[in-house]
Amino acid sequence: DAGITQSPRHKVTETGTPVTLRCHQTENHRYMYWYRQDPGHGLRLIHYSYGVKDTDKGEVSDGYSVSRSKTEDFLLTLESATSSQTSVYFCAISTGKNTVVNEQFFGPGTRLTVL
Amino acid sequence: EDKVVQSPLSLVVHEGDTVTLNCSYEVTNFRSLLWYKQEKKAPTFLFMLTSSGIEKKSGRLSSILDKKELFSILNITATQTGDSAVYLCAVVTPGGYQKVTFGIGTKLQVIP
Repeated sequence: DAGITQSPRHKVTETGTPVTLRCHQTENHRYMYWYRQDPGHGLRLIHYSYGVKDTDKGEVSDGYSVSRSKTEDFLLTLESATSSQTSVYFCAISTGKNTVVNEQFFGPGTRLTVL
Repeated sequence: EDKVVQSPLSLVVHEGDTVTLNCSYEVTNFRSLLWYKQEKKAPTFLFMLTSSGIEKKSGRLSSILDKKELFSILNITATQTGDSAVYLCAVVTPGGYQKVTFGIGTKLQVIP
């Protein structure tokens, strides 16, 4: 499992509230990713990080922000949750060196429901 | 826009059958293609393919890439009920962050 944990694993929240999801890895990988997975859409990249304090947007970044203050932690924040953000969120790491991505390994996922 | 298309979307077979799952892609640049198996949890890595015509094999699963025709297949022989899952294909394209584009998957159900 490449030493990836996510917390919380399940969360129910109300529209308009802020939510932070945490991804933690133990193997010092440089590249970390946040995806969301929805029926009919597959996995879509929200944000990624290529090092401490180095982050950038993916294809569905609106409404989300991220931070990476330590190599091992990558946080995803929904500033003001909306029902459209109800989804399963996966964190992933890449085993690539430098800028070459090899296989990605995924965390167990967080199921978020926004009422 | 990069695109990864998987077919069929779903498939039901009997134990012992052989199945072939397809993945075609249209991307601006290509670095590698990845296959994953997803049961009711996180995707688990199966194969990474970078070169045409070289088969990757793991037990009853095998995969091959055709970079000229822009597709890959995943074969599963002598299927078992434990093979029931969604199989995801993804393409890695070079760039600032090595973008990974996923297909929506093929749902395989193996019945006894």
